Amino acid sequence: EAGVTQFPSHSVIEKGQTVTLRCDPISGHDNLYWYRRVMGKEIKFLLHFVKESKQDESGMPNNRFLAERTGGTYSTLKVQPAELEDSGVYFCASSTWGQGATEAFFGQGTRLTVV
Amino acid sequence: AQSVTQLGSHVSVSEGALVLLRCNYSSSVPPYLFWYVQYPNQGLQLLLKYTTGATLVKGINGFEAEFKKSETSFHLTKPSAHMSDAAEYFCAVSANFGNEKLTFGTGTRLTIIP
Repeated sequence: EAGVTQFPSHSVIEKGQTVTLRCDPISGHDNLYWYRRVMGKEIKFLLHFVKESKQDESGMPNNRFLAERTGGTYSTLKVQPAELEDSGVYFCASSTWGQGATEAFFGQGTRLTVV
Repeated sequence: AQSVTQLGSHVSVSEGALVLLRCNYSSSVPPYLFWYVQYPNQGLQLLLKYTTGATLVKGINGFEAEFKKSETSFHLTKPSAHMSDAAEYFCAVSANFGNEKLTFGTGTRLTIIP
């Protein structure tokens, strides 16, 4: 069974440009989460989808960040325009709940560098 | 609100020695507790979790952790360190299992001395 997949693994962009990160969750997982780790700091929650709906977006830093989850499958996180402080590693995770609930399974992350 | 404190951002132990990584949490509801590990150039992998029941939980690679409610702690231990244990370890807490965000500590980087 395929795990959580994130694209790209690395991205280097200039300040002011746009970047789109993609996450493919484990098939059948309704819950999809985005997290970010800025260098040296803790991994912080950004938002939570249940299927295609945003359940909790309390961690989104500002309106330069836009997350979508098409048809409750894969998700994208767009940063527009990117700023220097957006640099970090962005993790995606998925899980399922109810009967057969699972812990969150994480992808390998996308390392974003804004220069 | 929930929070996690991991004491020691860097821990070094000799190969074969005891590994002890400390985690204290704060939670207004009964917590679900997790330890994740990140090996170099890899994603986060679950080591072990506490949901309900037995307070001593065993995970992969010989790690275990004990939930102590009175001390609000969930320390990670391994009796004998191996070179392959070198990684960064994260303690996390959530208010539910399967459909709730995780709150992480700042991580502890474990170095194994040959």
